[in-house]
Amino acid sequence: GAGVSQSPRYKVAKRGQDVALRCDPISGHVSLFWYQQALGQGPEFLTYFQNEAQLDKSGLPSDRFFAERPEGSVSTLKIQRTQQEDSAVYLCASSLEWGADYGYTFGSGTRLTVV
Amino acid sequence: TQLLEQSPQFLSIQEGENLTVYCNSSSVFSSLQWYRQEPGEGPVLLVTVVTGGEVKKLKRLTFQFGDARKDSSLHITAAQPGDTGLYLCAGESGSYIPTFGRGTSLIVHP
Repeated sequence: GAGVSQSPRYKVAKRGQDVALRCDPISGHVSLFWYQQALGQGPEFLTYFQNEAQLDKSGLPSDRFFAERPEGSVSTLKIQRTQQEDSAVYLCASSLEWGADYGYTFGSGTRLTVV
Repeated sequence: TQLLEQSPQFLSIQEGENLTVYCNSSSVFSSLQWYRQEPGEGPVLLVTVVTGGEVKKLKRLTFQFGDARKDSSLHITAAQPGDTGLYLCAGESGSYIPTFGRGTSLIVHP
C-alpha cells in the first residue's frame, strides 16, 4: 500500500478485556516497529521485527503484551486483560531496511481507551 | 525513560516569528531524526542527520547536528500556522531503534 495502515483507529475496551491491534506496513518493508504514546509524551519503543523475526521486545511493559508478524508482513499487537494504564495511542512504523538511512514511515495509530 | 531532552516543551508564537527548538542528550547518537506530528496522526519524518556538525535545510526549516553528535536544533524562519504541531527528535545509538524525546508542542497564531 501507499502508507502504513493501522486498525482500528479507535478502540474502547472494558478493563480486563483482550484487544488486538493491527498494522499493515508498506509493501516490501522489512523492518516494523511498535511504539506506545501516552498523552503529552513522545513515542516509547515496544518491539521490533525484521521480517517475521521479533528481534527486540525489551519495551513491552508486561507479559500481557504480545506481538507477532507471522508472514513478515502484517503485524498484530495483542494486549491481554487490559488495564487503565494501557490507555494510549499505539503507533506502528515500517522501514525498507534496518537503519535510519532508509527512513521510517508511521501509521496514524490506534487510540486505545480502557474504561 | 526518555534519553533525549527537548526544550521548550511548549511554544506559542505569532505568524512571521522565528523560533528554535532543542534536543539534548548525554548519549552519542549515530543518527538523529526530526519528526512533526499533528493531532490524530502519526509522526512524519522531516530529516535525518548523521554527521557531527551537519546542517540541513528544508525550505524555512534548518536542522543542525552537534559536533559531538549529542544534541541537535531545529530553527524555523518566519513561522506559519501550517507549522503548528508536535516536533519530535529521535536518536539511534547503534541499535537502530529510534528513541524519542517528549517533543515540543508549537502553536503558530495567524
